[in-house]
Amino acid sequence: AQSVTQLDSQVPVFEEAPVELRCNYSSSVSVYLFWYVQYPNQGLQLLLKYLSGSTLVESINGFEAEFNKSQTSFHLRKPSVHISDTAEYFCAVSPYNQGGKLIFGQGTELSVKP
Amino acid sequence: KAGVTQTPRYLIKTRGQQVTLSCSPISGHRSVSWYQQTPGQGLQFLFEYFSETQRNKGNFPGRFSGRQFSNSRSEMNVSTLELGDSALYLCASSSIVTSGQGHEQYFGPGTRLTVT
Repeated sequence: AQSVTQLDSQVPVFEEAPVELRCNYSSSVSVYLFWYVQYPNQGLQLLLKYLSGSTLVESINGFEAEFNKSQTSFHLRKPSVHISDTAEYFCAVSPYNQGGKLIFGQGTELSVKP
Repeated sequence: KAGVTQTPRYLIKTRGQQVTLSCSPISGHRSVSWYQQTPGQGLQFLFEYFSETQRNKGNFPGRFSGRQFSNSRSEMNVSTLELGDSALYLCASSSIVTSGQGHEQYFGPGTRLTVT
């Protein structure tokens, strides 16, 4: 079985400050890792993914996440946030043998203030 | 390419009724997954269909069922609605073929179901 824990339910931060959203997972099998973002009243959008290779992955809008296998973590970071980054962020895993299934964390609400 | 579309966007039903939700995947995607999102339970996986067959299933009661058609469009049905079924139901499609592949899922805007 798999589970995903997002350690912070809400993260308030000022504009241009750095931010880290923490994600830990537990799984008896290998997993693929994802971060999704959900803006108010919208569906989920893929932010970035780790499938294999380099453990540091980046998105086009400045977010990055690092896969740490020993700590079973996949924390999301951004060096300088914008007001437009205000949204809910979900960490998810997909088991190697169940590729069409995503197990999500409870979400972290990022609130960027001017 | 057009994204994942879901119809209807909003539904209001009465307890005990049944409901059918529809999802059209991105062209060429053969895998369709369904999720339930509620404030209390978060995002939970319902099931995945691939080539008209249910390939993976979450931990939901048998009142929740689905099917997939030959054009990859999928429907989800909930029978004997309960108040607790009020949720945002999200559909996602993927280009994944075999379970061992790592492919992202693309989500539709969801159907907001309210049960009164």
